[in-house]
Amino acid sequence: RKEVEQDPGPFNVPEGATVAFNCTYSNSASQSFFWYRQDCRKEPKLLMSVYSSGNEDGRFTAQLNRASQYISLLIRDSKLSDSATYLCVVNLYNNNDMRFGAGTRLTVKP
Amino acid sequence: DVKVTQSSRYLVKRTGEKVFLECVQDMDHENMFWYRQDPGLGLRLIYFSYDVKMKEKGDIPEGYSVSREKKERFSLILESASTNQTSMYLCASSALPREQYFGPGTRLTVT
Repeated sequence: RKEVEQDPGPFNVPEGATVAFNCTYSNSASQSFFWYRQDCRKEPKLLMSVYSSGNEDGRFTAQLNRASQYISLLIRDSKLSDSATYLCVVNLYNNNDMRFGAGTRLTVKP
Repeated sequence: DVKVTQSSRYLVKRTGEKVFLECVQDMDHENMFWYRQDPGLGLRLIYFSYDVKMKEKGDIPEGYSVSREKKERFSLILESASTNQTSMYLCASSALPREQYFGPGTRLTVT
Protein backbone atom coordinates (compact mmCIF):
# COMPACT_ATOMS: atom_id res chain seq x y z
CA ARG A 1 0.00 0.00 0.00
CA LYS A 2 1.31 3.44 -0.92
CA GLU A 3 1.97 5.85 1.91
CA VAL A 4 0.00 8.63 0.26
CA GLU A 5 -2.74 7.78 -2.21
CA GLN A 6 -4.66 10.03 -4.53
CA ASP A 7 -7.16 9.48 -7.31
CA PRO A 8 -5.13 10.36 -10.42
CA GLY A 9 -8.19 11.74 -12.23
CA PRO A 10 -8.42 13.45 -14.56
CA PHE A 11 -11.20 15.58 -13.16
CA ASN A 12 -12.75 17.59 -15.99
CA VAL A 13 -15.05 20.33 -14.73
CA PRO A 14 -16.64 23.44 -16.24
CA GLU A 15 -15.67 26.91 -15.14
CA GLY A 16 -17.49 27.93 -12.00
CA ALA A 17 -17.89 24.37 -10.73
CA THR A 18 -16.94 23.18 -7.27
CA VAL A 19 -14.55 20.24 -7.19
CA ALA A 20 -13.06 18.25 -4.34
CA PHE A 21 -10.10 15.90 -4.09
CA ASN A 22 -9.30 13.47 -1.34
CA CYS A 23 -6.01 12.00 -0.32
CA THR A 24 -5.44 9.15 2.12
CA TYR A 25 -2.30 8.46 4.10
CA SER A 26 -1.23 5.24 5.75
CA ASN A 27 0.86 6.36 8.71
CA SER A 28 -1.24 7.51 11.63
CA ALA A 29 1.84 9.20 13.15
CA SER A 30 1.90 11.77 10.32
CA GLN A 31 2.29 15.26 11.72
CA SER A 32 1.74 17.82 9.01
CA PHE A 33 -0.02 18.00 5.70
CA PHE A 34 0.11 20.11 2.58
CA TRP A 35 -1.31 20.57 -0.87
CA TYR A 36 1.11 21.45 -3.66
CA ARG A 37 0.16 22.49 -7.16
CA GLN A 38 2.12 21.45 -10.25
CA ASP A 39 1.40 23.02 -13.63
CA CYS A 40 2.17 21.06 -16.76
CA ARG A 41 5.95 20.79 -17.29
CA LYS A 42 6.61 22.97 -14.25
CA GLU A 43 7.86 22.42 -10.74
CA PRO A 44 5.56 21.82 -7.74
CA LYS A 45 4.69 24.84 -5.62
CA LEU A 46 3.11 24.99 -2.19
CA LEU A 47 -0.59 25.77 -2.45
CA MET A 48 -1.51 25.57 1.21
CA SER A 49 -0.85 23.83 4.48
CA VAL A 50 -3.64 21.77 6.03
CA TYR A 51 -4.47 22.45 9.66
CA SER A 52 -6.36 20.21 12.06
CA SER A 53 -9.30 22.58 12.27
CA GLY A 54 -9.47 23.05 8.52
CA ASN A 55 -8.43 26.20 6.72
CA GLU A 56 -9.46 28.36 3.85
CA ASP A 57 -7.53 30.49 1.39
CA GLY A 58 -9.86 32.32 -0.94
CA ARG A 59 -11.63 29.74 -3.09
CA PHE A 60 -9.60 26.88 -1.63
CA THR A 61 -10.54 24.94 1.50
CA ALA A 62 -8.40 22.21 3.02
CA GLN A 63 -9.54 19.77 5.67
CA LEU A 64 -7.94 17.03 7.71
CA ASN A 65 -9.63 13.97 9.13
CA ARG A 66 -7.14 12.23 11.40
CA ALA A 67 -9.53 9.47 12.44
CA SER A 68 -10.00 8.35 8.84
CA GLN A 69 -6.51 9.43 7.76
CA TYR A 70 -7.43 11.60 4.85
CA ILE A 71 -7.11 15.18 3.76
CA SER A 72 -9.22 17.00 1.26
CA LEU A 73 -9.02 20.02 -1.00
CA LEU A 74 -12.14 21.84 -2.15
CA ILE A 75 -12.00 24.38 -4.95
CA ARG A 76 -15.01 26.65 -5.39
CA ASP A 77 -15.86 28.67 -8.48
CA SER A 78 -13.20 26.93 -10.59
CA LYS A 79 -11.16 29.06 -12.97
CA LEU A 80 -9.39 27.98 -16.14
CA SER A 81 -6.14 28.83 -14.36
CA ASP A 82 -6.86 26.18 -11.72
CA SER A 83 -6.04 23.50 -14.29
CA ALA A 84 -3.04 21.68 -12.85
CA THR A 85 -2.02 18.57 -10.94
CA TYR A 86 -2.60 18.77 -7.20
CA LEU A 87 -0.15 16.88 -5.02
CA CYS A 88 -0.98 15.74 -1.53
CA VAL A 89 2.04 15.84 0.79
CA VAL A 90 2.40 14.31 4.23
CA ASN A 91 5.21 14.96 6.67
CA LEU A 92 5.78 12.20 9.18
CA TYR A 93 7.75 13.76 11.98
CA ASN A 94 7.85 17.47 11.20
CA ASN A 95 11.24 16.87 9.71
CA ASN A 96 12.51 16.71 6.16
CA ASP A 97 10.76 13.44 5.35
CA MET A 98 7.98 14.61 3.06
CA ARG A 99 5.87 11.98 1.30
CA PHE A 100 4.26 13.01 -1.96
CA GLY A 101 1.20 11.54 -3.57
CA ALA A 102 1.25 10.93 -7.31
CA GLY A 103 -1.17 13.80 -7.86
CA THR A 104 -4.70 14.43 -9.08
CA ARG A 105 -5.05 16.11 -12.44
CA LEU A 106 -7.68 18.80 -12.81
CA THR A 107 -8.79 20.36 -16.08
CA VAL A 108 -11.21 23.27 -15.95
CA LYS A 109 -12.99 23.82 -19.26
CA PRO A 110 -14.69 26.97 -20.56
CA ASP B 1 12.04 36.22 -5.19
CA VAL B 2 13.22 32.77 -4.20
CA LYS B 3 15.18 30.87 -6.74
CA VAL B 4 16.32 27.31 -7.25
CA THR B 5 18.11 26.66 -10.50
CA GLN B 6 19.15 23.43 -12.15
CA SER B 7 21.96 23.15 -14.63
CA SER B 8 19.98 21.64 -17.50
CA ARG B 9 16.33 21.36 -18.48
CA TYR B 10 16.92 18.43 -20.82
CA LEU B 11 19.76 15.93 -20.92
CA VAL B 12 20.40 12.87 -23.05
CA LYS B 13 23.09 10.45 -21.94
CA ARG B 14 24.23 6.98 -22.92
CA THR B 15 24.13 3.92 -20.71
CA GLY B 16 27.22 3.72 -18.54
CA GLU B 17 28.04 7.42 -18.65
CA LYS B 18 28.66 9.36 -15.46
CA VAL B 19 26.08 12.12 -15.13
CA PHE B 20 26.20 15.26 -13.00
CA LEU B 21 23.08 17.24 -12.17
CA GLU B 22 23.69 20.56 -10.46
CA CYS B 23 21.33 22.54 -8.27
CA VAL B 24 21.87 26.01 -6.83
CA GLN B 25 19.65 27.95 -4.42
CA ASP B 26 19.97 31.57 -3.42
CA MET B 27 17.87 31.51 -0.26
CA ASP B 28 20.57 30.45 2.20
CA HIS B 29 18.55 27.32 3.04
CA GLU B 30 20.15 24.60 5.13
CA ASN B 31 18.14 21.76 3.58
CA MET B 32 18.38 20.59 0.01
CA PHE B 33 16.79 17.60 -1.70
CA TRP B 34 16.90 15.55 -4.84
CA TYR B 35 13.76 13.80 -6.06
CA ARG B 36 12.80 11.92 -9.15
CA GLN B 37 9.29 12.11 -10.53
CA ASP B 38 7.79 9.35 -12.61
CA PRO B 39 4.21 9.02 -13.89
CA GLY B 40 1.95 7.32 -11.38
CA LEU B 41 4.65 7.21 -8.70
CA GLY B 42 4.84 10.78 -7.53
CA LEU B 43 8.02 12.35 -6.23
CA ARG B 44 10.45 9.96 -4.62
CA LEU B 45 13.30 11.19 -2.47
CA ILE B 46 16.76 10.14 -3.58
CA TYR B 47 18.98 12.04 -1.14
CA PHE B 48 18.80 15.09 1.03
CA SER B 49 21.31 17.26 2.84
CA TYR B 50 20.74 19.30 5.97
CA ASP B 51 24.14 21.00 6.03
CA VAL B 52 27.32 21.37 4.05
CA LYS B 53 29.05 18.01 3.62
CA MET B 54 26.12 16.23 5.29
CA LYS B 55 23.84 13.87 3.41
CA GLU B 56 21.12 11.38 4.14
CA LYS B 57 19.73 8.63 1.95
CA GLY B 58 16.16 8.89 0.85
CA ASP B 59 13.93 6.12 -0.40
CA ILE B 60 15.77 5.28 -3.60
CA PRO B 61 19.50 6.10 -3.27
CA GLU B 62 20.79 3.10 -5.22
CA GLY B 63 22.74 4.13 -8.28
CA TYR B 64 23.09 7.73 -7.11
CA SER B 65 25.45 9.77 -4.99
CA VAL B 66 25.44 13.41 -3.94
CA SER B 67 27.84 16.16 -3.07
CA ARG B 68 27.35 19.31 -1.04
CA GLU B 69 30.57 21.26 -0.78
CA LYS B 70 28.89 24.66 -0.46
CA LYS B 71 25.65 25.62 1.20
CA GLU B 72 24.03 26.87 -1.98
CA ARG B 73 24.95 23.94 -4.22
CA PHE B 74 23.79 20.32 -4.16
CA SER B 75 24.88 17.93 -6.89
CA LEU B 76 23.38 14.61 -7.88
CA ILE B 77 25.69 12.10 -9.51
CA LEU B 78 24.69 9.04 -11.49
CA GLU B 79 27.82 6.94 -11.33
CA SER B 80 26.91 4.77 -14.32
CA ALA B 81 23.68 5.81 -15.96
CA SER B 82 21.14 3.13 -16.77
CA THR B 83 17.93 3.26 -18.79
CA ASN B 84 15.81 2.88 -15.65
CA GLN B 85 17.19 6.22 -14.47
CA THR B 86 15.38 7.99 -17.29
CA SER B 87 13.16 10.37 -15.36
CA MET B 88 12.41 13.94 -14.32
CA TYR B 89 14.81 15.04 -11.58
CA LEU B 90 13.73 17.80 -9.26
CA CYS B 91 15.89 19.64 -6.77
CA ALA B 92 14.36 21.47 -3.81
CA SER B 93 15.50 23.52 -0.87
CA SER B 94 13.86 24.53 2.40
CA ALA B 95 14.54 26.37 5.62
CA LEU B 96 11.85 24.45 7.46
CA PRO B 97 10.00 21.25 6.56
CA ARG B 98 6.88 23.25 5.89
CA GLU B 99 7.69 24.52 2.44
CA GLN B 100 10.06 23.21 -0.15
CA TYR B 101 11.04 25.35 -3.11
CA PHE B 102 11.63 23.40 -6.26
CA GLY B 103 13.83 24.01 -9.26
CA PRO B 104 12.42 23.70 -12.79
CA GLY B 105 13.55 20.09 -13.14
CA THR B 106 15.90 18.21 -15.45
CA ARG B 107 14.40 15.68 -17.81
CA LEU B 108 17.07 13.03 -18.22
CA THR B 109 16.91 10.41 -20.94
CA VAL B 110 19.37 7.53 -20.83
CA THR B 111 19.65 5.61 -24.09
